[in-house]
Amino acid sequence: DQQVKQNSPSLSVQEGRISILNCDYTNSMFDYFLWYKKYPAEGPTFLISISSIKDKNEDGRFTVFLNKSAKHLSLHIVPSQPGDSAVYFCAASVSGGGADGLTFGKGTHLIIQP
Amino acid sequence: EAGVAQSPRYKIIEKRQSVAFWCNPISGHATLYWYQQILGQGPKLLIQFQNNGVVDDSQLPKDRFSAERLKGVDSTLKIQPAKLEDSAVYLCASTQRLDSYEQYFGPGTRLTVT
Repeated sequence: DQQVKQNSPSLSVQEGRISILNCDYTNSMFDYFLWYKKYPAEGPTFLISISSIKDKNEDGRFTVFLNKSAKHLSLHIVPSQPGDSAVYFCAASVSGGGADGLTFGKGTHLIIQP
Repeated sequence: EAGVAQSPRYKIIEKRQSVAFWCNPISGHATLYWYQQILGQGPKLLIQFQNNGVVDDSQLPKDRFSAERLKGVDSTLKIQPAKLEDSAVYLCASTQRLDSYEQYFGPGTRLTVT
């Protein structure tokens, strides 16, 4: 039973355009959400996060939006750059104040076309 | 600051053999996690340590998997005996504080069971 779902296995975007990666979740106990980026042969690296008490968090070119009623979050990257080509994982944490194990989606492979 | 270290990076074994993976977290990080990432899936939590105590091992197949974190620093994950379905990347992650959501991942160990 997938509690965190990323329904697009891959996404191709032209350089300079906006990339939008989507994530849905089913567990209403999740209260913190994170996006990780992963290059081949490396471990995932933290990108951006959002608490369930917010609906938007921004960090440079990256913005995460959270719609709690729809149990949906999205990651916007603008403008997209070649170095953004990677697999992006959505992850969620159950209420507990932090440091609990994360539940990950299957990932979306983002390809930035020159 | 040095990142999370893992070894070996790659391991090939035959089914029914034993294997062990090693992880050294970031200095001062009290919480340590082991994740299993099967090809095409997101990482799945196997076990979580707080210092040298187990916080969550509910998803660890205890009939064949074991893990320890002696002295609250390094950790070892063992599989005995291995099955074909254990082929995966085994990721170690750590966080500094109990209230920290952001986990720092090592590069992983890719295990192939033939």
